[in-house]
Amino acid sequence: EAQVTQNPRYLITVTGKKLTVTCSQNMNHEYMSWYRQDPGLGLRQIYYSMNVEVTDKGDVPEGYKVSRKEKRNFPLILESPSPNQTSLYFCASSLGVRGRGFYEQYFGPGTRLTVT
Amino acid sequence: KQEVTQIPAALSVPEGENLVLNCSFTDSAIYNLQWFRQDPGKGLTSLLLIQSSQREQTSGRLNASLDKSSGRSTLYIAASQPGDSATYLCAVLSRSGGGADGLTFGKGTHLIIQP
Repeated sequence: EAQVTQNPRYLITVTGKKLTVTCSQNMNHEYMSWYRQDPGLGLRQIYYSMNVEVTDKGDVPEGYKVSRKEKRNFPLILESPSPNQTSLYFCASSLGVRGRGFYEQYFGPGTRLTVT
Repeated sequence: KQEVTQIPAALSVPEGENLVLNCSFTDSAIYNLQWFRQDPGKGLTSLLLIQSSQREQTSGRLNASLDKSSGRSTLYIAASQPGDSATYLCAVLSRSGGGADGLTFGKGTHLIIQP
C-alpha cells in the first residue's frame, strides 16, 4: 500500500532532550516536507526537500533540523526541544514540485508531540 | 507572502443539503490548489487537486473550482451525508515570500452534517 509513515505517533518528552521523528514513504517520491499544526495557526511548513541531499527552510524552521540521506526517509530532528514546539507534526511527500510537475501531496498520519 | 482564507470557519447543515465551502488566496501565482479532509485526531486525506491551468476537478459528490485570477476556489459537496462531517482544508502550492516551495494552508472549515 502506498503510504507515508511517521514514528512515533505520540511522544511526551522534557525540555532539552534531543528527539527524532521519522518519516518514510514507499512511493519513490522526490519531494518531502514537514509541517506543524497548531490551533488558530493552521498548518505551517517547517522544512522541505526536493531530492536526496537537498533540503531547504520553510516558514517556521527555527529549532528544527532535517536530513535527506535516502530518497524514502526524511527525519525531523529537535536538538533541544522547548515547550513551544508542542504541536501536531505532519510529514508529506509528492512525486515532484516545480519544474518536474506539480503533483498531489500525500500526508502521513501525524505525530503528536508534547514538550514539558 | 501567500495567505489563504477559508469561509465559513464552521458550518452545520442537515443531511441531504448541497453546500459550498469557500477558499481565497492573496497571490495568484500558484502552481496548484489542493483540498483536504481532516478527521479529528487524524491525518490529512487529499480530496481534489486542481492545477493552475485547470478550472475544476470532480470526484464523486465533490466538485472543486478554481479562479486563479480572482484568487478563489470553491468546494461543492452534493447531497451531504453525516460521514462528510470533518474539517476541510484548502491549500495552495506556490513560491512563498521566503522562497520556499510548499503548501500554504487555510485554517479550515469545520463541517457538521446533522442526521
